[in-house]
Amino acid sequence: DGGITQSPKYLFRKEGQNVTLSCEQNLNHDAMYWYRQDPGQGLRLIYYSQIVNDFQKGDIAEGYSVSREKKESFPLTVTSAQKNPTAFYLCASISRYTSGGRNEQFFGPGTRLTVL
Amino acid sequence: AQSVTQPDIHITVSEGASLELRCNYSYGATPYLFWYVQSPGQGLQLLLKYFSGDTLVQGIKGFEAEFKRSQSSFNLRKPSVHWSDAAEYFCAVGADDMRFGAGTRLTVKP
Repeated sequence: DGGITQSPKYLFRKEGQNVTLSCEQNLNHDAMYWYRQDPGQGLRLIYYSQIVNDFQKGDIAEGYSVSREKKESFPLTVTSAQKNPTAFYLCASISRYTSGGRNEQFFGPGTRLTVL
Repeated sequence: AQSVTQPDIHITVSEGASLELRCNYSYGATPYLFWYVQSPGQGLQLLLKYFSGDTLVQGIKGFEAEFKRSQSSFNLRKPSVHWSDAAEYFCAVGADDMRFGAGTRLTVKP
């Protein structure tokens, strides 16, 4: 089945450590996204990538880094510079050319990161 | 820059009652508009979308939404709510860089 995989579902790290969240899709989508979700704030865009080897900062990119070496993969690294990293992280990808329109995002199940 | 406002943080309705969730957007061009639903600890599922054409769009699970350009709104409606509809609902706008509202949490009373 096609879809988006995020692993692990729950992740715990000590303060000061970098941590990388995985996002893989087999939908052949060109664009991929990372969002952070905190209670009462909805989804905030961290980074997005429209093609391989290219990515753009979203609204809250500070303290995060990404890479896009393969079309299927868009890992997010939460660095020690991120002051409040505990949150629920969602990865998404876009099908640009669905019937009847474009830009319908598909979401992964999310990773809940807790920094102790 | 585009933005989305969902004025209601939390709504409670009785099972069987009608539902309307509000969404207002700011966007420089013709917007692509979406409603998503999220169950606790899960990803988001698309309910419906508007790109162009008929301003009343039908979605899954009996939901519909109406695009009103003059009011910059895209409100979600359902005639009769079921207990399984309890979840968080997000309105979104945009093209390559999507923006989401803060969400409305729906509680359904028996």
